Amino acid sequence: NAGVTQTPKFRVLKTGQSMTLLCAQDMNHEYMYWYRQDPGMGLRLIHYSVGEGTTAKGEVPDGYNVSRLKKQNFLLGLESAAPSQTSVYFCASSSRGGQLQETQYFGPGTRLLVL
Amino acid sequence: SQQGEEDPQALSIQEGENATMNCSYKTSINNLQWYRQNSGRGLVHLILIRSNEREKHSGRLRVTLDTSKKSSSLLITASRAADTASYFCATVRGGADGLTFGKGTHLIIQP
Repeated sequence: NAGVTQTPKFRVLKTGQSMTLLCAQDMNHEYMYWYRQDPGMGLRLIHYSVGEGTTAKGEVPDGYNVSRLKKQNFLLGLESAAPSQTSVYFCASSSRGGQLQETQYFGPGTRLLVL
Repeated sequence: SQQGEEDPQALSIQEGENATMNCSYKTSINNLQWYRQNSGRGLVHLILIRSNEREKHSGRLRVTLDTSKKSSSLLITASRAADTASYFCATVRGGADGLTFGKGTHLIIQP
């Protein structure tokens, strides 16, 4: 039982390049989330999904797209990376969400540097 | 926007002492959660306290919740070097999904 895994662990991009971050969970959770963490800012929600085939915008969605084609996977895409997207990205999953939000289980994070 | 705000931003104590950190939030909640983050790692869930609960314990951790003051506190008793980490409170985003995190309290346990 690996929990939540993220790939890659670290990536360097040049401005304008694209990439996809992969999140996988083996807990059969319906809800999945992508956050970014910047120094001194705490975590901010980018996008989330309440089930296979669904996605929704979070607090800071601009410049990102997501897809949830399979229940266990949640992909975060950057179509044209910008230096402002330099951050640490965390994926999380939970069994319940919304106002009945239960424990979120986090992946180890992906460090992204955009030059 | 930050729903929860932790206080203090940083705390340094001697091993064996108790550590208390506080969280204030702005809107009504169904539950409040505390997470720990070790340097360079993901967040680990510590405790979830529901709005109808006033206190909850888990090992050396004690969490209180005062909904009238919109505040919560996390107490770590008999601190250990391994407790050195950042601690975050999180609440459900109003009217939407996902959690809103504060900026965290960075706790350093001096040996």
